[in-house]
Amino acid sequence: QVHLVQSGAEAKRPGASVTVSCETSGYTFTDCYIHWVRQAPGQGLEWLGWMSTKSGVTKYARKFQGRVTLTRDTSISTAYMDLTNLRADDTAVYWCARVGPRRNDFFDYWGQGALVTVSS
Amino acid sequence: QSVLTQPPSVSADPGQKVTISCSGSSSNIGSNYVSWYQQLPGTAPKLVIVDDYQRPSGIPDRFSGSKSGTSVTLGITGLQAGDEAYYYCGSWDRSLDMFVFGGGTKLTVL
Repeated sequence: QVHLVQSGAEAKRPGASVTVSCETSGYTFTDCYIHWVRQAPGQGLEWLGWMSTKSGVTKYARKFQGRVTLTRDTSISTAYMDLTNLRADDTAVYWCARVGPRRNDFFDYWGQGALVTVSS
Repeated sequence: QSVLTQPPSVSADPGQKVTISCSGSSSNIGSNYVSWYQQLPGTAPKLVIVDDYQRPSGIPDRFSGSKSGTSVTLGITGLQAGDEAYYYCGSWDRSLDMFVFGGGTKLTVL
C-alpha cells in the first residue's frame, strides 16, 4: 500500500527557512515523480514544482524560483522541500504528491500535509 | 485569479445529479489531460477523475468526467452527504510550463 508521510507542523519567523520531508513507502521510490502543492487558509491549491526521484531533475513554478528547492534521498525513499525567505503569505498547508508511474500530470497519492505558519 | 475557471459553488439535493464545469484554454485543457480532485474538510485532495474521464480504482461510477474543447465537466449522480466537499480541476499548462488548478468549487448537498 502506497503511503506518503510528511513531517510535522512548523512555526517560523519571517525571513527564515523551512524544510518539509515526505517519506514514501509501498512502491519503488524512483518510479514516480514527486510534486509539491500548497494551500493557504481558505484558498485554493497552488503548485510549487516537481522532482524526478530517479535523476533529481527539478522544475519549479516561476513564482517560487529562487526560494524553493526540491531534493531527495533515495536510500530512505524520502523527498524534501526547502522554502527560504519565508513571508506571512507563505502560511499554508504543504503537500507532497506522487504522480502516476511513467506520468507527470496527475497526482494519485498525497501526503497528509504539513502546516507551515509564518508569523512574527 | 486561477488559470482554470470553476464556479465557486454548486448545490443539489441528495440523490440528484450535479455537474461542475472547468474552463481553460488551448495551452492547458485544450492540449493536455485533466484530473479532478475531491477535498473533504481538513484533508488532502483525493483523485477522482484522471485523463479527462477515467475513474481511478475505488472511485464509484457515480463520478464521471467529460471534455469538449477547452472545457471539462465533472458529473456526480446519486448525490450523498459524503460527497459534500471542494472539487478542483487540474491540468498541465504548456505556455506557463507548470501545473495549474481551478479555483475550486464547493459542493453542497442540501
